[in-house]
Amino acid sequence: RKEVEQDPGPFNVPEGATVAFNCTYSNSASQSFFWYRQDCRKEPKLLMSVYSSGNEDGRFTAQLNRASQYISLLIRDSKLSDSATYLCAVTASGSARQLTFGSGTQLTVLP
Amino acid sequence: EAGVVQSPRYKIIEKKQPVAFWCNPISGHNTLYWYRQNLGQGPELLIRYENEEAVDDSQLPKDRFSAERLKGVDSTLKIQPAELGDSAVYLCASSFRSGGPNTYEQYFGPGTRLTVT
Repeated sequence: RKEVEQDPGPFNVPEGATVAFNCTYSNSASQSFFWYRQDCRKEPKLLMSVYSSGNEDGRFTAQLNRASQYISLLIRDSKLSDSATYLCAVTASGSARQLTFGSGTQLTVLP
Repeated sequence: EAGVVQSPRYKIIEKKQPVAFWCNPISGHNTLYWYRQNLGQGPELLIRYENEEAVDDSQLPKDRFSAERLKGVDSTLKIQPAELGDSAVYLCASSFRSGGPNTYEQYFGPGTRLTVT
């Protein structure tokens, strides 16, 4: 089993739709969780950290479920510009500064 | 604030040739990472530096890969000799040890796209 798993998609949704991605992790000792966005042929860009209480940034909401060992990302009112690959990242076993990334979920928002 | 700088952006070499990548992290970031990203995959850590010390290089193929960060700022990653399977994007990232809740957020450079023919 991979340390961090994501549904690769693709998710094709119409503009204005709400879409959610999940990411499961295997290391119960992981302490930090992140969502990154990666556009085609670009570097990953930090979208948001995921806090235990959940957090929201505009149209984006991140949640952490420690009991089931997954994090989620909800995008409301999808825009064309949200089309990208979304990578989740989890701190690795034994190091709070080492991240293990999932393979990413591809999102395409359609006009 | 300037981001992580990497060069070159693209590199095409023949197998068995050497290649080097350079990274300048965000000013003040004492932690530097080198990742490799294959198509359709997430970045995979090769090596992590805390200042000039390599603290995690367990994923670095040491028979052909080497890295250095002599003054705790810029870093170079070298492959010698390159193999066909080394074709990938090599990403550098940095983070700052702030002690706060955002301590370990990593910021990536644009990467070097390596093609080995």
